[in-house]
Amino acid sequence: EPEVTQTPSHQVTQMGQEVILRCVPISNHLYFYWYRQILGQKVEFLVSFYNNEISEKSEIFDDQFSVERPDGSNFTLKIRSTKLEDSAMYFCASSEGVSYNSPLHFGNGTRLTVT
Amino acid sequence: QKEVEQNSGPLSVPEGAIASLNCTYSDRGSQSFFWYRQYSGKSPELIMFIYSNGDKEDGRFTAQLNKASQYVSLLIRDSQPSDSATYLCAVNTEGGDSSYKLIFGSGTRLLVRP
Repeated sequence: EPEVTQTPSHQVTQMGQEVILRCVPISNHLYFYWYRQILGQKVEFLVSFYNNEISEKSEIFDDQFSVERPDGSNFTLKIRSTKLEDSAMYFCASSEGVSYNSPLHFGNGTRLTVT
Repeated sequence: QKEVEQNSGPLSVPEGAIASLNCTYSDRGSQSFFWYRQYSGKSPELIMFIYSNGDKEDGRFTAQLNKASQYVSLLIRDSQPSDSATYLCAVNTEGGDSSYKLIFGSGTRLLVRP
């Protein structure tokens, strides 16, 4: 079964450093997303991306965050200057469409630890 | 603020029993509803989704939706120890042309006792 793949599985970085989290969505999916989950908390929406542009973003997704689809397969999340509170699991997801019966499929996540 | 509420549990059931997980949501305009299973430290895994009032069955799982009461539930029949996980209810409230924003509940932890 096709799946969303994310790399790396675990990233440790120092506060103030830039990180790039990478995702390969399911090949025939057109809509891409980033969610995050701080340890012990809810899964939270960050951003959605379609047709090479951001469709929607949450208030969490401030100027420190950016997303890009640099080629036909990868989808990346960049955090420019990491803060301690950015430590979380980051999940990439994709969907074929946005209709009622087109659910999100999540990747295995990248655990980001900011020290 | 659009919210999705779940009892955090743990819900403890014996092996072979029916587990009943519940979820309420605040936005009456919500259109589709999803149940994900999440093992500790892992990503959410889709179990099933529902968008029409009534029941939807898939194997041992049945999702139930009541839009008038803003209530979604998941029944797991013949519960197995491997079903022990956190079950996340998620609601799509936006329904836009180019976006799909899920609001997640905090999850109910299910423990199936052998």
